[in-house]
Amino acid sequence: KAGVTQTPRYLIKTRGQQVTLSCSPISGHRSVSWYQQTPGQGLQFLFEYFSETQRNKGNFPGRFSGRQFSNSRSEMNVSTLELGDSALYLCASSRRGDTQYFGPGTRLTVL
Amino acid sequence: SQELEQSPQSLIVQEGKNLTINCTSSKTLYGLYWYKQKYGEGLIFLMMLQKGGEEKSHEKITAKLDEKKQQSSLHITASQPSHAGIYLCGADIQGAQKLVFGQGTRLTINP
Repeated sequence: KAGVTQTPRYLIKTRGQQVTLSCSPISGHRSVSWYQQTPGQGLQFLFEYFSETQRNKGNFPGRFSGRQFSNSRSEMNVSTLELGDSALYLCASSRRGDTQYFGPGTRLTVL
Repeated sequence: SQELEQSPQSLIVQEGKNLTINCTSSKTLYGLYWYKQKYGEGLIFLMMLQKGGEEKSHEKITAKLDEKKQQSSLHITASQPSHAGIYLCGADIQGAQKLVFGQGTRLTINP
């Protein structure tokens, strides 16, 4: 069974731009969660989607948004990028919010 | 303050030595997950503990859950270079609607 895939793996943007990251969960998994990982803050929860509905949201500004499609694939969008948004963005999938399996991440660099 | 505290933050051991990493929660634990991360990559699921006193092993890695102490320990026996990486604990804790993660323990294995 294929694991969680994330695209792109690396991304370089400039301040003020917006970015869209994609996540394809493990087949059969309906829950997708997104995390931001930085050296200073560690792994921080962004949001969780289940069956196209956002179930939980972390403490991030409204510039961070996401959605989930009917095939469980998910995207997250960050608008008006700031330098502090540079991070590794990780997506994790689970069947129903149980054990989460992570993708390889998208490394976002904001210049 | 961190809801999940890991100790130590970093660990350097000689190949072949045993080591222990601890994860302590300030609130009631309902489920505890251990992951391993290679720098800049995704998290690899190691094991999950749910019941007090539960102990699981995978190859040379053993994890235990002490419900009374709200603590889990990860023990590696006869460490090998392949064990090097960052170990993170994640937990379902009282009052949190999402998985909470510790700051991670960076493990270096010296030959």
